[in-house]
Amino acid sequence: GAGVSQSPSNKVTEKGKDVELRCDPISGHTALYWYRQSLGQGLEFLIYFQGNSAPDKSGLPSDRFSAERTGGSVSTLTIQRTQQEDSAVYLCASAPGLPYEQYFGPGTRLTVT
Amino acid sequence: GENVEQHPSTLSVQEGDSAVIKCTYSDSASNYFPWYKQELGKRPQLIIDIRSNVGEKKDQRIAVTLNKTAKHFSLHITETQPEDSAVYFCAAWMDSSYKLIFGSGTRLLVRP
Repeated sequence: GAGVSQSPSNKVTEKGKDVELRCDPISGHTALYWYRQSLGQGLEFLIYFQGNSAPDKSGLPSDRFSAERTGGSVSTLTIQRTQQEDSAVYLCASAPGLPYEQYFGPGTRLTVT
Repeated sequence: GENVEQHPSTLSVQEGDSAVIKCTYSDSASNYFPWYKQELGKRPQLIIDIRSNVGEKKDQRIAVTLNKTAKHFSLHITETQPEDSAVYFCAAWMDSSYKLIFGSGTRLLVRP
């Protein structure tokens, strides 16, 4: 079946611009996570959604970052007024519940020039 | 706080030898411990996981052991092959916050 998909695969933007990253989780998965991975580094938790519960935003690095999940399915991560330090691969993962295996998407490589 | 420590950060072994990666976690309530493999430029993929009601789990050349008392778990790869070369991440589920906390990763190189 279809796995987790993300778009765009690559995004180059100028410093100060806003960007939106999209994640389509596996159908039926109630949990959705966003992570950030800088070059050669580990996975930094950003935010997660579980069912209809309020999202856990504790990992968002600043108020320039926000995310929403519509209809319990697709999620969008928005970064406002991008900075060069925002350059990284943004990974989305979904899971059928908690705690279960998280399935990762291919990621969006964001480059801020 | 919530923390998972992973060692070593890099590991180089000869093809056919065994590789061991170790992780420790802080939340005694953790009950789910997956291991992910990430090849260069690819997404992390689960290779094996273990829940706290068992002490060891094997899948062909890969095994994971869990010591809940000491709060550590390990990945064992036997008869390593060049295609095992990748970055491996351990993780622990934190019941207190419903998050999977990842270790910092181990870069494994298997020399032919």
